[in-house]
Amino acid sequence: DAGITQSPRHKVTETGTPVTLRCHQTENHRYMYWYRQDPGHGLRLIHYSYGVKDTDKGEVSDGYSVSRSKTEDFLLTLESATSSQTSVYFCAISEKGEIEKLFFGSGTQLSVL
Amino acid sequence: SQQGEEDPQALSIQEGENATMNCSYKTSINNLQWYRQNSGRGLVHLILIRSNEREKHSGRLRVTLDTSKKSSSLLITASRAADTASYFCATVGFSGGYNKLIFGAGTRLAVHP
Repeated sequence: DAGITQSPRHKVTETGTPVTLRCHQTENHRYMYWYRQDPGHGLRLIHYSYGVKDTDKGEVSDGYSVSRSKTEDFLLTLESATSSQTSVYFCAISEKGEIEKLFFGSGTQLSVL
Repeated sequence: SQQGEEDPQALSIQEGENATMNCSYKTSINNLQWYRQNSGRGLVHLILIRSNEREKHSGRLRVTLDTSKKSSSLLITASRAADTASYFCATVGFSGGYNKLIFGAGTRLAVHP
């Protein structure tokens, strides 16, 4: 999957606990994205980054925060997980942003009980 | 609301037949992209068509774009069992000062041997 590693691949956690998902890329691409995928909704953008320490919100950012301290790593944090955040989370990267194609990781299946 | 919406939601065909999936969108776009997702995997970029293009080919894939009707179609010719996957269109439009990539809910294609 184009030099993108997501960890963990699967996680089960309890409501109210903090959770951090990691995306690591070896492509040196500038743009990184976090999406969530839910049945009937396609992919929805949570947060994105256009450079180290440069991040912005997507359409479903409530309850999520991100950090990018290095080009290769983009972290997604659920401050206090809720059952509505049970989903499959995908990281994506792009060299030139949305005007060109995105490369996706294999996803993290998160279950919040 | 979603920018791109695929039709049909599900499609079942026999190997060797052609598969056609349609995507409609609502606002002006810079480009439109098609992605494939195999079960349990991330999305894989298939093809990108720009707003000033009408048709594009890549192997057995043919994409058309009609900006006057705000629609696109993806044709897979001579389908194979390995084409079984979900297919998503994603539109890129300029909104709020930056390019936004928005995915539809996808078409699930099943190709039977």
